[in-house]
Amino acid sequence: DQQVKQNSPSLSVQEGRISILNCDYTNSMFDYFLWYKKYPAEGPTFLISISSIKDKNEDGRFTVFLNKSAKHLSLHIVPSQPGDSAVYFCAAITKGGKLIFGQGTELSVKP
Amino acid sequence: DTGVSQDPRHKITKRGQNVTFRCDPISEHNRLYWYRQTLGQGPEFLTYFQNEAQLEKSRLLSDRFSAERPKGSFSTLEIQRTEQGDSAMYLCASSLVAAVRGTGELFFGEGSRLTVL
Repeated sequence: DQQVKQNSPSLSVQEGRISILNCDYTNSMFDYFLWYKKYPAEGPTFLISISSIKDKNEDGRFTVFLNKSAKHLSLHIVPSQPGDSAVYFCAAITKGGKLIFGQGTELSVKP
Repeated sequence: DTGVSQDPRHKITKRGQNVTFRCDPISEHNRLYWYRQTLGQGPEFLTYFQNEAQLEKSRLLSDRFSAERPKGSFSTLEIQRTEQGDSAMYLCASSLVAAVRGTGELFFGEGSRLTVL
């Protein structure tokens, strides 16, 4: 039972344009939603999170939007840079503090 | 602080052998997590600890898997009688309970890659 889903395995955008990564979830009891970024041969690193009681959180070039009625969240990167090329994982955290990850979307930002 | 440390980084073993991975969390982090990641998939939850207490173990884990955190600091993950399907990256993460409940941020190590021949 995949509680957190990322349906796009890959995304390619041009440098300077907006990257939009999407994520859907099924469990309404999640407390927080997070995005992690992963480079090859490294562990995932935390990027940004949003509380389930908010609908937007912004940190520099990164903004996460949460639509609770649709059980959908998205990560916007503006402007996209080649160094943003990585695999992005959406994750949700349960009340007990367990992180559940999506399958990941590989972002490629072309110069 | 050097972050979460995992050892070994890569282990190649024959089917049927036992393997053990070690994780040293960030100092004073009371939460420690183990995840498994296979190619093209996201990290899959295995188990987690608060101090030395194991809070939850995934139903997907067979009895061949066991994890310990005896003194609430480092942790070990042992896989007995390895199978080819156990080949994966095993990730460890740590955090403070307050941080997990605040933003959900975990700090991951670089992982231990297991190859079962």
